[in-house]
Amino acid sequence: SAVISQKPSRDICQRGTSLTIQCQVDSQVTMMFWYRQQPGQSLTLIATANQGSEATYESGFVIDKFPISRPNLTFSTLTVSNMSPEDSSIYLCSVGTGGAYDEQFFGPGTRLTVL
Amino acid sequence: QQQVKQSPQSLIVQKGGIPIINCAYENTAFDYFPWYQQFPGKGPALLIAIRPDVSEKKEGRFTISFNKSAKQFSLHIMDSQPGDSATYFCAPRHFQKLVFGTGTRLLVSP
Repeated sequence: SAVISQKPSRDICQRGTSLTIQCQVDSQVTMMFWYRQQPGQSLTLIATANQGSEATYESGFVIDKFPISRPNLTFSTLTVSNMSPEDSSIYLCSVGTGGAYDEQFFGPGTRLTVL
Repeated sequence: QQQVKQSPQSLIVQKGGIPIINCAYENTAFDYFPWYQQFPGKGPALLIAIRPDVSEKKEGRFTISFNKSAKQFSLHIMDSQPGDSATYFCAPRHFQKLVFGTGTRLLVSP
């Protein structure tokens, strides 16, 4: 498995501002993903963070709202831009280990509240 | 079609009981079938997973049963404990992307 950390663990932000969430893995991984989990709900994939190229976004998510960087194989950032209260969620980073079963492991999440 | 239906939405069992959580899917291209366990304030943790060429897998008190023809798989928790109280998600995978079910909130009473 991989050890994944996220910063910040939680934040309270004003509407109209932006927040950048960091994801750090303790080993090089091929795949990194960003998910959103709204309160009491399931997880929805936002995008796949590709090393050296643009992220691949899922339907309903756009780069202008959720820009993603992945400068190397152990680090990625997700920015939530021009926030509104509807963006209040838990944002989770996950990684694919690329092993025999290519399991995915999740970070602890960043709890975002937008006022 | 990526829809994944999970049931029940919530479940209460007594300690020692055997809760069963079900997951039904449409996409026959799913190639990996994991279950995740999530405690409040934590990220989901991989609990157990199965490949489609196997009908059952056991790891400790947790068992996955897989029915490829019915496009269903289920999680069984043997001898459940209060510490198993959590939310459980099925999350079948297609092209390395997990599609999460709606979740089942399990409460194991002492």
